[in-house]
Amino acid sequence: KQEVTQIPAALSVPEGENLVLNCSFTDSAIYNLQWFRQDPGKGLTSLLLIQSSQREQTSGRLNASLDKSSGRSTLYIAASQPGDSATYLCAVEVGAGSYQLTFGKGTKLSVIP
Amino acid sequence: GAVVSQHPSWVICKSGTSVKIECRSLDFQATTMFWYRQFPKQSLMLMATSNEGSKATYEQGVEKDKFLINHASLTLSTLTVTSAHPEDSSFYICSAPDRLNSPLHFGNGTRLTVT
Repeated sequence: KQEVTQIPAALSVPEGENLVLNCSFTDSAIYNLQWFRQDPGKGLTSLLLIQSSQREQTSGRLNASLDKSSGRSTLYIAASQPGDSATYLCAVEVGAGSYQLTFGKGTKLSVIP
Repeated sequence: GAVVSQHPSWVICKSGTSVKIECRSLDFQATTMFWYRQFPKQSLMLMATSNEGSKATYEQGVEKDKFLINHASLTLSTLTVTSAHPEDSSFYICSAPDRLNSPLHFGNGTRLTVT
């Protein structure tokens, strides 16, 4: 059974710092990995999706890497801003086009002005 | 961009009553929608896959007679929590892809509190 773990559970950083969020998964046979942002009481916003054949994806200040063989992914946020404060979720999809995602518990990020 | 609208955003109900949650795809047709549940400090867990015009597929451990799913049109799926109990209090969220192999679009979720 696929399990997704995110470390740390919570993180507080001063504005402007670069930071890394970690995600690990137990079964390397994944179709893709996705990073989401969740604001309190809100739905999920997809940030980056990495296909199993890819190593990384970038969008603005965000960079996500994937090492499928070791079952790890990182989300790098550059020059953090207070507006980045949210919970970041990592999820893996096992079957091609199955859309059945296994989520981690998330990392709650607080960026202090 | 593709939008999924979920209603209500929060609901409080008494134990034993039923609650209906709606999930609509606003600008695309969704033959399949997914319902997730998130308990406090836990990860999102897939409850069921809703298929337009056919029966939903439930994940192991999810009672299909308690969580009724209806996907009667290409833009609407409903989740009805029947005879709700306090342990059903959770955050329910739906999602759908807007086309084959596209990323999922999520609704804003429904916070259910059963007293």
